[in-house]
Amino acid sequence: QQQVKQSPQSLIVQKGGISIINCAYENTAFDYFPWYQQFPGKGPALLIAIRPDVSEKKEGRFTISFNKSAKQFSLHIMDSQPGDSATYFCAASMDAGGTSYGKLTFGQGTILTVHP
Amino acid sequence: DGGITQSPKYLFRKEGQNVTLSCEQNLNHDAMYWYRQDPGQGLRLIYYSQIVNDFQKGDIAEGYSVSREKKESFPLTVTSAQKNPTAFYLCASSISTQGMAQHFGDGTRLSIL
Repeated sequence: QQQVKQSPQSLIVQKGGISIINCAYENTAFDYFPWYQQFPGKGPALLIAIRPDVSEKKEGRFTISFNKSAKQFSLHIMDSQPGDSATYFCAASMDAGGTSYGKLTFGQGTILTVHP
Repeated sequence: DGGITQSPKYLFRKEGQNVTLSCEQNLNHDAMYWYRQDPGQGLRLIYYSQIVNDFQKGDIAEGYSVSREKKESFPLTVTSAQKNPTAFYLCASSISTQGMAQHFGDGTRLSIL
C-alpha cells in the first residue's frame, strides 16, 4: 500500500514535444506529491509539487495533473528541450500526524531523453 | 550558499570493513534522511532523523547505522553486515518531517574493492 508506481521506465521525445510521465499510488493518506529531476552523478532536485486539494499546478513548462479519485498524478513537460534530458522521480508522503515522519516513497524513475 | 554537502564523492570498501559517509547541512533543517539508489530503482529510505539524538529505521536499515549528535550532521556507517553495499547514497534534509520538500546532496558512490 506504500508503493508508488511510475511509468514509463524510459521516454524519448523530440525537441519541442510534450513529455508525459505517470504515477499511481494506493495509500489515500498520502497528501504531498513532489516530482524530482536528477542528472547523472547528482542528487535529485525538487521540480514541482502538489497537494490533493488542487487538480493541477503549473510552473513554467512543467505541469502536475492530479486525479484524486483515480489515485494518479502525472508530470507534463511542455516544449521539451535537450536540457530536460534527465531521470524524473515522482514521490508521495503523508503528514507527520502519525508515525510516517513525512517519509517520501519514490517511484522507480523515468529516464527522459529529448532529441534535438 | 546553503546546501547539503556529502563526502567523499567516491568511496571504496574492502571486505569486512566499515565505512562512514559524511553528510553536513547548513540549511538549519531539523530533519535529515539517508537514501540508497540502485540502477533502475527509485530511492529507498535507510534511516531518518527528526531531531538531534533521535533517529528511526527506514525501509532498508539492516547493515547500516547512523548518529545525530549535531543538527548539521548525519553520518551513515555502512557496516560489514551489509553484504551488497555497492550503490549511490544520497543524504537529504527538510525543514521538518511534515511532508515538506526534501533537499538532496550530490551523493556518495560506494563500491566494493
